Amino acid sequence: RKEVEQDPGPFNVPEGATVAFNCTYSNSASQSFFWYRQDCRKEPKLLMSVYSSGNEDGRFTAQLNRASQYISLLIRDSKLSDSATYLCAVNMNSNYQLIWGAGTKLIIKP
Amino acid sequence: DGGITQSPKYLFRKEGQNVTLSCEQNLNHDAMYWYRQDPGQGLRLIYYSQIVNDFQKGDIAEGYSVSREKKESFPLTVTSAQKNPTAFYLCASSTADGQYFGPGTRLTVT
Repeated sequence: RKEVEQDPGPFNVPEGATVAFNCTYSNSASQSFFWYRQDCRKEPKLLMSVYSSGNEDGRFTAQLNRASQYISLLIRDSKLSDSATYLCAVNMNSNYQLIWGAGTKLIIKP
Repeated sequence: DGGITQSPKYLFRKEGQNVTLSCEQNLNHDAMYWYRQDPGQGLRLIYYSQIVNDFQKGDIAEGYSVSREKKESFPLTVTSAQKNPTAFYLCASSTADGQYFGPGTRLTVT
């Protein structure tokens, strides 16, 4: 089993819809969690951290479920510009090293 | 502007040649990382450094070497021993709030 797993997609979603995807992690001692966005042929960019209490930033909401060992990302009122690959990353120890999922590709259609 | 720079953006080399990829940051971060990303895949850690004059192998260090003589700089050398060097190389630095990436170097070896 991979340490961090994501559904590769693609998720094809109409503009304006709500979409959610998950990321599961294997190490129950994992300490911090992140969602990144990566556009085609570009570097990943930090979208948001995921806190135990959840985290909301505009149309984006991230949640952590420690009991089931997954994090989720929900995008409301999706825009064409949300089309990208979304990577999750998990920190499993006391340094800043991250374990990465392979990403979920999201395509927003007009 | 604070950030991470990588140069060059595109690099072409002949098989059997060593090549050095530059990574500089002015964020005053202690930790720096090198990743490799192949098409449709996640990030794989090559080397990381948590402090000047110290670095550790990641998951795929064979055929690569690094140095960390200055806090701001973490160059990566792709040696001729790396069997499949063509890839997208990403440098990152980090704090507890996450990792921040440079724009990447796309290396093609023929």
